[in-house]
Amino acid sequence: AQTVTQSQPEMSVQEAETVTLSCTYDTSESDYYLFWYKQPPSRQMILVIRQEAYKQQNATENRFSVNFQKAAKSFSLKISDSQLGDAAMYFCAYGSGGGADGLTFGKGTHLIIQP
Amino acid sequence: DVKVTQSSRYLVKRTGEKVFLECVQDMDHENMFWYRQDPGLGLRLIYFSYDVKMKEKGDIPEGYSVSREKKERFSLILESASTNQTSMYLCASIIGGTGGIRGYTFGSGTRLTVV
Repeated sequence: AQTVTQSQPEMSVQEAETVTLSCTYDTSESDYYLFWYKQPPSRQMILVIRQEAYKQQNATENRFSVNFQKAAKSFSLKISDSQLGDAAMYFCAYGSGGGADGLTFGKGTHLIIQP
Repeated sequence: DVKVTQSSRYLVKRTGEKVFLECVQDMDHENMFWYRQDPGLGLRLIYFSYDVKMKEKGDIPEGYSVSREKKERFSLILESASTNQTSMYLCASIIGGTGGIRGYTFGSGTRLTVV
């Protein structure tokens, strides 16, 4: 079974600084997708960024980027120019094939933004 | 945008009651999912469905059942609620086939308390 590990239960960063959230995963499959989801206090899960395993290039969405190391099975999220609205729980998730069998989530990292 | 609606934001039920959590999506998605979210444990998959009247067990199906009589509606049923089922429940949906690649769309969650 696939597992996703987020080793940082909580992280804190000053506003406008950069922070990196860690995620590692374990799988024997070659075709899969990785995601970062954000869950603010409103509880709505919001897709931040996704990465297709067959793509070498790291995904980027505005201030959010990933460092995808396939051999190391590592998928970290970098948030640049942190803003107060970035404060949330962040979940790393793994999906194989078309993702139709559900995603496997990590336990989450609580990100605190210090003004 | 796809909308996934969970009928109740908060719910308080008594031990032994039969509980129904309802989820409706408005974009003709084939695949729907129920997750349970607990602090420090992340999201865990309870059940999912590929199509009407189809259901598959996820990682933690014990104590739960589901019903999918119509494509847009996926119900989670607690046959006899227990206090250890106090949790946040999240519903999600995707287009069938490779829809999971684009990420899941989540409802805003139902926080269930069993007393």
